[in-house]
Amino acid sequence: QITLKESGPALVKPTQTLTLTCSLSGFSITTDGVGVDWIRQPPGKALEWLAVVYWDDDKYYRSSLRNRLTITKDTSKNQVVLTMTNMDPIDTAIYYCVRRLRFGSRYYFDHWGQGTLVTVSS
Amino acid sequence: DIQLTQSPSFLSAFVGDRVTITCRASQDISNYLAWYQQKPGQAPKLLIYAASSLQSGVPSRFSGSGSGTEFTLTISSLQPEDFTSYFCLQVNSYPLTFGGGTTVEIK
Repeated sequence: QITLKESGPALVKPTQTLTLTCSLSGFSITTDGVGVDWIRQPPGKALEWLAVVYWDDDKYYRSSLRNRLTITKDTSKNQVVLTMTNMDPIDTAIYYCVRRLRFGSRYYFDHWGQGTLVTVSS
Repeated sequence: DIQLTQSPSFLSAFVGDRVTITCRASQDISNYLAWYQQKPGQAPKLLIYAASSLQSGVPSRFSGSGSGTEFTLTISSLQPEDFTSYFCLQVNSYPLTFGGGTTVEIK
């Protein structure tokens, strides 16, 4: 069974750095063709894609947040970690980690974590 | 960034009705669009990928169509478990973007 589980602080203060961990089960981040993304959803707003890391360590970031985001994979623990610096109240959102797989000529998200709510407040 | 405009945001229908949800892209995305269903408290579920391909295990009452800038998700006969939310996703180019979502309510 494929599962992704997010973990991290529920509350962070403005200017702090957020570190979120996605623990993978039922598949390996090193499997050819696999990618893991982070996506967030602020309250009442649409989903927003943040970053992806592929099995071969290729990475892509949302350009508007590029200077604040870092995505890494820990193959020994089968985890993907997202760090976001200089947190602000507008970063309050549910953060999801998601697996992507290749379907034909493109990758699509086929499994999602349950999400973790992060609130930014002093 | 490619904008996805999803409509309607909300619709009310009866069990057995045929409903259609639309997703319009701000530029040509070929057929690189997916549809997801999201129930409260659950992870989103992939229904359709590549605009019209049904994901394995998804009931055949769900179908997708379109290419370029206009796409539709159709549920041919609404079942009680279908009354929930749906959203579209474009994977044509980074940053990947999502539609604003549609909530389907029982009339």
